[in-house]
Amino acid sequence: SQTIHQWPATLVQPVGSPLSLECTVEGTSNPNLYWYRQAAGRGLQLLFYSVGIGQISSEVPQNLSASRPQDRQFILSSKKLLLSDSGFYLCAWSAGGNLNIQYFGAGTRLSVL
Amino acid sequence: DQQVKQNSPSLSVQEGRISILNCDYTNSMFDYFLWYKKYPAEGPTFLISISSIKDKNEDGRFTVFLNKSAKHLSLHIVPSQPGDSAVYFCAASANSGYALNFGKGTSLLVTP
Repeated sequence: SQTIHQWPATLVQPVGSPLSLECTVEGTSNPNLYWYRQAAGRGLQLLFYSVGIGQISSEVPQNLSASRPQDRQFILSSKKLLLSDSGFYLCAWSAGGNLNIQYFGAGTRLSVL
Repeated sequence: DQQVKQNSPSLSVQEGRISILNCDYTNSMFDYFLWYKKYPAEGPTFLISISSIKDKNEDGRFTVFLNKSAKHLSLHIVPSQPGDSAVYFCAASANSGYALNFGKGTSLLVTP
């Protein structure tokens, strides 16, 4: 069966510091991978998605970037965090095909102080 | 621009009764709809989905209804149980895209 791992679970970072969140998927090949953010009182907003190694699409302009160095690894990064980057970050995967059922990791609670 | 709207931020239902969660969408290109359940500090869990070629899909206690002309879908939970207490997100996608567009969620509380 497929599993998705996301870490760390919580992270407190000062403004201006770098960020690296990692997500890995097991039990499937060539998944589509996604990064979402849920800000306080808001729904889930898609930040990035990837359909293959090295292929990244950005949905919204922002202070963050994403990379996919391996088939089942997806990394969310920032060079300098802003206060507004605080939120709940979720990684997800889906198989190919028309049924876009996405399966989510446990999430990372990021607090930028 | 919020293309998927869940206008009720919260809902309280007694155990054993029916819970009805509603969702409206504005994009006529959406052709696949999903419901997710989320507990605090956890990722959303896929619950049930429906394609635009259907108007109903049932899975155990959960049934999703789709009214394309009204651009409206609903999730029915019968009977409701205390363990169903969570935030429920409605999501939609268009066949040509990878993105899931989520509503802001409805917090369901099932009381004993």
